[in-house]
Amino acid sequence: NAGVTQTPKFRVLKTGQSMTLLCAQDMNHEYMYWYRQDPGMGLRLIHYSVGEGTTAKGEVPDGYNVSRLKKQNFLLGLESAAPSQTSVYFCASSQLAGSYNEQFFGPGTRLTVL
Amino acid sequence: QKEVEQDPGPLSVPEGAIVSLNCTYSNSAFQYFMWYRQYSRKGPELLMYTYSSGNKEDGRFTAQVDKSSKYISLFIRDSQPSDSATYLCAMSGGGSEKLVFGKGTKLTVNP
Repeated sequence: NAGVTQTPKFRVLKTGQSMTLLCAQDMNHEYMYWYRQDPGMGLRLIHYSVGEGTTAKGEVPDGYNVSRLKKQNFLLGLESAAPSQTSVYFCASSQLAGSYNEQFFGPGTRLTVL
Repeated sequence: QKEVEQDPGPLSVPEGAIVSLNCTYSNSAFQYFMWYRQYSRKGPELLMYTYSSGNKEDGRFTAQVDKSSKYISLFIRDSQPSDSATYLCAMSGGGSEKLVFGKGTKLTVNP
């Protein structure tokens, strides 16, 4: 049982390049989330999904796209990377029980955009 | 006013000290109150959660919720160097599928 895994762990991009971050979970969770974490800013929600085939915008969605084609995977895409997207990206998954929402986090992807 | 406010610190204490970490919030619909611990260069992990008001104890950790004051606390007794981490409060409720996080408090426990 690996929990939540993220690929890749590190990446360096040049401005304007594109990339996709992959998140996979093996807990059969319905809900998945993408966050970015920056110094002094805490965790900020980018996009999330409440089930296979669904996506929704979070707090900071601009410049990112997501897809949830399979229940266990949630992809985060950067179409044209900018230096402002240099950050640590975390994926999380959860199975809501009423309002109880324990989210399980992956190890993170450190992205640098030059 | 932000939905959840948390003093980012940093907080530095000697080993064995009692540590108090706090968050305030504004949304009265919040019902579940969580504390996540995040070690350096790792993802956050759930440390404790509390439903509604009251106290919850787990070993050296105690979580308190005061809904009337919209204030939550995490106490760490006999703090250890291994407790050095960033502690994030998080809250949910009102049927929302999202957690609202504080910005986190960085704690260092010095041997």
